[in-house]
Amino acid sequence: DAGITQSPRYKITETGRQVTLMCHQTWSHSYMFWYRQDLGHGLRLIYYSAAADITDKGEVPDGYVVSRSKTENFPLTLESATRSQTSVYFCASSEEGESQPQHFGDGTRLSIL
Amino acid sequence: QKEVEQNSGPLSVPEGAIASLNCTYSDRGSQSFFWYRQYSGKSPELIMFIYSNGDKEDGRFTAQLNKASQYVSLLIRDSQPSDSATYLCAVEVSPGYSSASKIIFGSGTRLSIRP
Repeated sequence: DAGITQSPRYKITETGRQVTLMCHQTWSHSYMFWYRQDLGHGLRLIYYSAAADITDKGEVPDGYVVSRSKTENFPLTLESATRSQTSVYFCASSEEGESQPQHFGDGTRLSIL
Repeated sequence: QKEVEQNSGPLSVPEGAIASLNCTYSDRGSQSFFWYRQYSGKSPELIMFIYSNGDKEDGRFTAQLNKASQYVSLLIRDSQPSDSATYLCAVEVSPGYSSASKIIFGSGTRLSIRP
């Protein structure tokens, strides 16, 4: 089925470790996004990508790295995880621009001990 | 002032009544407005979007936009227990002349439909 898939769904790791969250979409949407969701803050944009090899920072990019070598994949890497990065991470995609309706993956719940 | 504001709730509405959810935004240049529903432990799901002033209806849902007053609302008619969820308002904002627009989400309003 077409859609947007995130993996893993749950991840527990330790402070200082590198973690990569995967996002794959089958719609061939140009735009992809990474958000984190924390109580009291709602959804906050980490990074987004307008096309393959084009990425840009969002509201809270520090500590995160993204890449987009293929249109369908948009992995998010925490290079050295910190406890403050414990959160639920959502990947989303949209067909055209940053301001178009977005469709979300099921999320990754990440705990950093 | 936050760019997109919503009352966190919980908003409790009896089954069958109209639920009214409100959202205000600060960027007068915003052109695109969205409502997402998020069940506990699930991902946000787009339910409505509106670009023009006035009302837009889709089944039991009506989105209302008033750009002059900078608010957007969502009405849910004939509320059902299955409507109990958090509703996120999202607004397009334009950071500046040379910057691309982006969507800012409110923190959400928790809606509870009581039988």
